[in-house]
Amino acid sequence: QVQLQESGPGLVKPSETLSLTCAVSGDSISGGNWWSWVRQTPDKGLEWIGEINRSGTTNYNESLKSRVTISLDKSNNQFSLKFSSVTAADTGVYYCARMRPTGPGLDSWGLGTLVTVSS
Amino acid sequence: DIQMTQSPSSLSASVGDSVTITCRASHDISIYLAWFQQKPGKAPKALIYTATNLQSGVPSRFSGSESGTEFTLTIDSLQPEDFATYYCQQYNNYPYNFGPGTKLEMK
Repeated sequence: QVQLQESGPGLVKPSETLSLTCAVSGDSISGGNWWSWVRQTPDKGLEWIGEINRSGTTNYNESLKSRVTISLDKSNNQFSLKFSSVTAADTGVYYCARMRPTGPGLDSWGLGTLVTVSS
Repeated sequence: DIQMTQSPSSLSASVGDSVTITCRASHDISIYLAWFQQKPGKAPKALIYTATNLQSGVPSRFSGSESGTEFTLTIDSLQPEDFATYYCQQYNNYPYNFGPGTKLEMK
């Protein structure tokens, strides 16, 4: 059974870069699925951030694209999110999830990690 | 972008009742609609994919249907553990937007 676990700082200063990692077990990120980031903020609710596949191909939410980078670390079976120039509006819970695009969709999620943007 | 709306935004029901939640997409999304259940402080849990298919381990009292750009989630014979917030999400076109949620509360 696949498990995903987010990790990273819980507090980030305004204008700095938020960096999170998602460790995957029970599935290989080098397989046929996509690996996604979703966040939940008080203002926008659940918001899809973007995804990456085994080739490193990415798809981003256009509204966030200028600030987002998702990357793979195949040696450690994990993937990462970098979110630059954060503001208080980026405060929320960040989830990583497995995306199975032609059927089950976002079928497995991490527990989520709360990120607060504050000086 | 495809916009997702849900109705009602909140709903009160009793154990044993049947309830239906509706999700509408602003444009055609084929059958690529998922439903999620979220309880306070927890991650969303996948319930239904491609509009009508139950994720593994999801009780059969949950069901989904679709008619064009309108999708419904029905929960038959509500159980105490079903009181939560429910979200739909389309994954036919980027960005994969979610609906605003429907909070199901105990009457």
